[in-house]
Amino acid sequence: GAGVSQSPSNKVTEKGKDVELRCDPISGHTALYWYRQRLGQGLEFLIYFQGNSAPDKSGLPSDRFSAERTGESVSTLTIQRTQQEDSAVYLCASSLAPDTGELFFGEGSRLTVL
Amino acid sequence: GQSLEQPSEVTAVEGAIVQINCTYQTSGFYGLSWYQQHDGGAPTFLSYNALDGLEETGRFSSFLSRSDSYGYLLLQELQMKDSASYFCAVQPRGGGNKLTFGTGTQLKVEL
Repeated sequence: GAGVSQSPSNKVTEKGKDVELRCDPISGHTALYWYRQRLGQGLEFLIYFQGNSAPDKSGLPSDRFSAERTGESVSTLTIQRTQQEDSAVYLCASSLAPDTGELFFGEGSRLTVL
Repeated sequence: GQSLEQPSEVTAVEGAIVQINCTYQTSGFYGLSWYQQHDGGAPTFLSYNALDGLEETGRFSSFLSRSDSYGYLLLQELQMKDSASYFCAVQPRGGGNKLTFGTGTQLKVEL
């Protein structure tokens, strides 16, 4: 597609429920990243996929968070047993070249946990 | 690890020049990037410094000094549409584009 696409754009859920957030990167981009942004704060790295290499999961805050990517296409971020502190915007980004400092971000999925 | 500090807010008038600073403590990195984010929008890439010195892209310029652990984004001929948050980010060695972002600076442009 023309840009990084994320869905849903907004998700309201109850504490304890599981949620899945989807990211469709720019076609041909080999690298895909998930970030979390709490209200009024900076971007917090979660996980990074590069081609067929093992993902870098060093930013995942707990074992309730997981992500998968099929080849060089769609990725899904799953949050199990959601907590109120999980409320944030989850941003996905992709990049073509690995060392340019340039990420292409989607509009994000705003998650609200009640 | 990496730590990047930015002023939380900067206010300037339309037509003016503003500089947003980024100071960092990091064990080593490939380059420093800058991103713009309007309220509720996606961060968008502005500039990247792999080497020390000034990079110019239209009204925006970015500077890096590794010896001073310091960089800045310079915005010239400010427009109302430049009101947004600005983030610096470092690209760690061997980490692809796994960027660590600064705390962000909210720029308010006034008439």
